[in-house]
Amino acid sequence: AQSVTQPDIHITVSEGASLELRCNYSYGATPYLFWYVQSPGQGLQLLLKYFSGDTLVQGIKGFEAEFKRSQSSFNLRKPSVHWSDAAEYFCAVVPVSGGYNKLIFGAGTRLAVHP
Amino acid sequence: EAQVTQNPRYLITVTGKKLTVTCSQNMNHEYMSWYRQDPGLGLRQIYYSMNVEVTDKGDVPEGYKVSRKEKRNFPLILESPSPNQTSLYFCASSHTLLSGRSYNEQFFGPGTRLTVL
Repeated sequence: AQSVTQPDIHITVSEGASLELRCNYSYGATPYLFWYVQSPGQGLQLLLKYFSGDTLVQGIKGFEAEFKRSQSSFNLRKPSVHWSDAAEYFCAVVPVSGGYNKLIFGAGTRLAVHP
Repeated sequence: EAQVTQNPRYLITVTGKKLTVTCSQNMNHEYMSWYRQDPGLGLRQIYYSMNVEVTDKGDVPEGYKVSRKEKRNFPLILESPSPNQTSLYFCASSHTLLSGRSYNEQFFGPGTRLTVL
């Protein structure tokens, strides 16, 4: 079945440590790929997106993501986490078949940052 | 300021009492959509609209209605709310989703937390 999987429900890291959030998708053709962040009580903000081309994508707030076709993955990374990065992170895809009409979200990964 | 607004932000109601959650955008976007967010499920699309008077079902449309009479507004209507519609609701908008080789970013409202008793 077509799906977006974020294997980690919760992750806790220390401030200043590196971060990697995992995302895997299951679609026949590579979809458009996105990472969103939701801070407590806020709406969703787009961190970065991948359509084609360079597989390493830079986003806002110091985040980057790498697309790996062989692994059907689009993992989000940050070299040094700040306390303000505590939030919920969603991987999302737009399938390239079916009219591009919607974002399909993973279940989310909640990030906690210890001082 | 470019934004998507939703009202109310919080609502507690009782089973069967009709309610409307409003959504408005000031960016002249063609596309608008409603999502619900539930723990462990991420966001799921309820309905979307490609333009005025053009709406279609998303993945979880049961129990909801929408209308798109004006470009800027896309209200979500619950004719007879039930407890399983207790959720966090987000409205989103964007320019035409796919233009050329680019996919236009969806902008999200702040969310409406609905509790149905």
